Amino acid sequence: EVQLVESGGGLVQPGGSLRLSCAASGFTFSRSWMHWVRQAPGKGLVWVSHINNDGSGATYADSVRGRFTISRDNAKSTLYLQMNSLRAEDTAVYYCVRDWFGEYVWGQGTTVTVSS
Amino acid sequence: DIVMTQTPLSSPVTLGQPASISCRSSQSLVNSDGNTYLSWLQQRPGQPPRLLIYKISNRFSGVPDRFSGSGAGTDFTLKISRVEAEDVGIYYCLQTTQFPWTFGQGTKVEIK
Repeated sequence: EVQLVESGGGLVQPGGSLRLSCAASGFTFSRSWMHWVRQAPGKGLVWVSHINNDGSGATYADSVRGRFTISRDNAKSTLYLQMNSLRAEDTAVYYCVRDWFGEYVWGQGTTVTVSS
Repeated sequence: DIVMTQTPLSSPVTLGQPASISCRSSQSLVNSDGNTYLSWLQQRPGQPPRLLIYKISNRFSGVPDRFSGSGAGTDFTLKISRVEAEDVGIYYCLQTTQFPWTFGQGTKVEIK
């Protein structure tokens, strides 16, 4: 069974940094593209970033480009999101998503709150 | 960016009756590989999103057959043949044909 478990969320001050992790199991992690998607409180879903299967390519939403960095460790079956220069508007639940040729499996999410 | 527009935004439904949600994209979702990457997600209260339908009409593993998807090009529909209590939640369409992925605003399905 495909499982994705996010961690690393928490409360951080504006301008601070946080690194999210997503531990994957139940599939061959190194063959799958992966994504981060976020959902602000009471709002809809917004795509954040993607990384290809070997980590050689990544894309970002305009709202996070230059501040967030996606990466992966295929040996550890783990996806990361390094978030710097955090703003109040980054407050959200962050989900990692496995992408397998149009089939998407979502993790449970981790909550990031940016507030002083 | 491709804009995804869902209608209605709210859908009160009687148990056992059908429900239908429409999704329109601002441009064709046909990919250069010939596939159309239009998905439907369900988000129950307090839960993460869950994939129901992918590539317009393919039910994901474990999804009941009362859920079906149809459409082509820029117009797509999700149908629930007979709504059950566990179907309450918000439904999103999602295009993954091109980056950035974009979602519809969400349609809230509730029981009358």
